Amino acid sequence: EVQLLESGGGLVQPGGSLRLSCTGSGFTFSNYAMNWVRQAPGKGLEWVSTISASGGRTYYADSVKGRFTVSRDNSKNTLYVQVNSLRADDTAVYYCAKGDLYGSGSSWGQGTLVTVSS
Amino acid sequence: QSVLTQPPSVSAAPGQRVTVSCTGSSSNIGAGYDVHWYQQLPGTAPKLLIYGNKNRPSGVPDRFSGSKSGTSASLAISGLQAEDEADYYCQSFDTRLSGWVFGGGTKLTVL
Repeated sequence: EVQLLESGGGLVQPGGSLRLSCTGSGFTFSNYAMNWVRQAPGKGLEWVSTISASGGRTYYADSVKGRFTVSRDNSKNTLYVQVNSLRADDTAVYYCAKGDLYGSGSSWGQGTLVTVSS
Repeated sequence: QSVLTQPPSVSAAPGQRVTVSCTGSSSNIGAGYDVHWYQQLPGTAPKLLIYGNKNRPSGVPDRFSGSKSGTSASLAISGLQAEDEADYYCQSFDTRLSGWVFGGGTKLTVL
């Protein structure tokens, strides 16, 4: 069974930083692109970033470009996103999602909440 | 403002059929990229419902079906049940943004 477990969220002041992690199990992690998607309270889903299976290619939404950095350690089956220069509108539940050949998110983690507030 | 457009809400009685539309543009759905649908029950993570426009993952009832035509796609749910009450999101890929795009979500109410 595919499982994804996010961690690293919390309360952070504006301008602060966090590193979110997502550990996968039940599949060959290194074979799949991985994605971060966030959901602000009471709002819809927003794509944040995608990283290729090898980690060689990364893509970002305009809203986070230059502030967020996605990476992965395939030896640890773990996906990361370093989130810097946080703003109030970055407050959201951050989900990791396993990519598939069709371009969908076939499995999602339970999410980790990031709250940006002074 | 979401790149893909969905109605904010739909409703129908148990046993009836409902459809949710998803409209994109020439840089996403109209460019030939697949459309996928997710169901998000209250307080839970999204779950893949339909992938590749019309395919159901294992375990998804055949009451759920998807279609795509031109720059739009639709999710149909037949034989509505109370447990279908949830938010539904469409998703595709946008070549201009080089990433996933989502609809704003549609809240389904089972009357």
